[in-house]
Amino acid sequence: NAGVTQTPKFRVLKTGQSMTLLCAQDMNHEYMYWYRQDPGMGLRLIHYSVGEGTTAKGEVPDGYNVSRLKKQNFLLGLESAAPSQTSVYFCASSSYPGRTFSGANVLTFGAGSRLTVL
Amino acid sequence: KNEVEQSPQNLTAQEGEFITINCSYSVGISALHWLQQHPGGGIVSLFMLSSGKKKHGRLIATINIQEKHSSLHITASHPRDSAVYICAVRSAGNQFYFGTGTSLTVIP
Repeated sequence: NAGVTQTPKFRVLKTGQSMTLLCAQDMNHEYMYWYRQDPGMGLRLIHYSVGEGTTAKGEVPDGYNVSRLKKQNFLLGLESAAPSQTSVYFCASSSYPGRTFSGANVLTFGAGSRLTVL
Repeated sequence: KNEVEQSPQNLTAQEGEFITINCSYSVGISALHWLQQHPGGGIVSLFMLSSGKKKHGRLIATINIQEKHSSLHITASHPRDSAVYICAVRSAGNQFYFGTGTSLTVIP
């Protein structure tokens, strides 16, 4: 099925460890986003990408890095994990505005990745 | 400041009731999305609106661009509708802004 796939779904890290979350989409979407979701707060944008080879900072970028070497993949890295980064991470993708895809959902989320930093 | 405000934050309804969730936004937008998230689950886009009204089954979404306001209605609510409903807008600058969500519980 077409969509956005995130791996891993769950991860427990110790403070100071590093890890990478992978997001892959097969809808040929230009835009990709990484969000974090914390209790009582809305989705907050960490980083985003408007195309292959481009990335930009969002609302809460500190402590994270991203790369988009291929159009279909958007990686989120934590170089030195901290307990404050315990959260659920969502990747999403969307097409350029104005593009029409018959019956398509033009904002698609992955299933989420639950990260705990001890 | 929040670009997107939703109300109410929490809502409890009896099965069969008509439900309305409201969303107001402060930025210029190219589209508005209503999203659904079940407990512990992923996020699914229910509707994308740029004008008027859309209907899908028991769900109806409306938008008033001039008033910068949208509503999500659920007719004949059912316990399986229990979820968090999130309003999201796509700004003219192609950023998405999200409300904090409305937690809906439908009691049998």
